[in-house]
Amino acid sequence: DAKTTQPNSMESNEEEPVHLPCNHSTISGTDYIHWYRQLPSQGPEYVIHGLTSNVNNRMASLAIAEDRKSSTLILHRATLRDAAVYYCILRSRGSGSRLTFGEGTQLTVNP
Amino acid sequence: GAGVSQSPSNKVTEKGKDVELRCDPISGHTALYWYRQSLGQGLEFLIYFQGNSAPDKSGLPSDRFSAERTGGSVSTLTIQRTQQEDSAVYLCASSGGGQTLYNSPLHFGNGTRLTVT
Repeated sequence: DAKTTQPNSMESNEEEPVHLPCNHSTISGTDYIHWYRQLPSQGPEYVIHGLTSNVNNRMASLAIAEDRKSSTLILHRATLRDAAVYYCILRSRGSGSRLTFGEGTQLTVNP
Repeated sequence: GAGVSQSPSNKVTEKGKDVELRCDPISGHTALYWYRQSLGQGLEFLIYFQGNSAPDKSGLPSDRFSAERTGGSVSTLTIQRTQQEDSAVYLCASSGGGQTLYNSPLHFGNGTRLTVT
C-alpha cells in the first residue's frame, strides 16, 4: 500500500478552522484518499473520502491537490468534540481494500 | 440504524485460557475486518472476510488466532492459549462489498478490551 505522511500533532482553538495536511507522493491513479478519526476509547470513525475532486460532507471538507500527491482535511469550525487522532489512508483496489493505519495526527482543541 | 456491535465490551482472562470475541456487522455488509490496537499503538490489521470466506488472513499473528464468519453475518475471533501480549482492544469493522469495496467506508465497532492476567 502507498504510504502517507502526517504531522504527529496539531493544535487548534475552538470555533476556528483546522487544516490537517497529508502527503502521499506515491499514490497510484486508482487509490482513494480516506480520512478517519478516533476519539478516546472508541473505534475509528469514517470522516470523508475522495479520488480527484474536492469533497464536502456534514463533517468536513477534503481538498485534494491537482497532482494528488497531497490532501488536506478541513474542519470548518473546530469543537472540543473534534479532539481525536486523524488518520489519512490510501485505499487500493487489491488486498481486500484493507485500510492500513499509520500514526495519524493527534488534534488538540483548546477552549 | 444499528451500527457494528461487538461483545463482550470487556474481557479479563487468565493466561493460557481460550477466548472468543464476537462481531455483529451492519446488516447487508459483505466485507468484515478484524483489527487490534495495543495500548498507545496504532491499528494492526488481522483478517478480512468477504462473505464467509477469508481471502486475507495475513495479519493473524500466530496459529493461536483464528476467525470464522457464518451466514455472511456474525464473525467470531478466537484466541487459544492466551498470552499477556495478546492484551489489546480488538476492533471489528464492516463495509459494503463487491466492486465498490474500495470506495466504501469502513464502519467500526467500539471494540472488545481484552486483558490477559
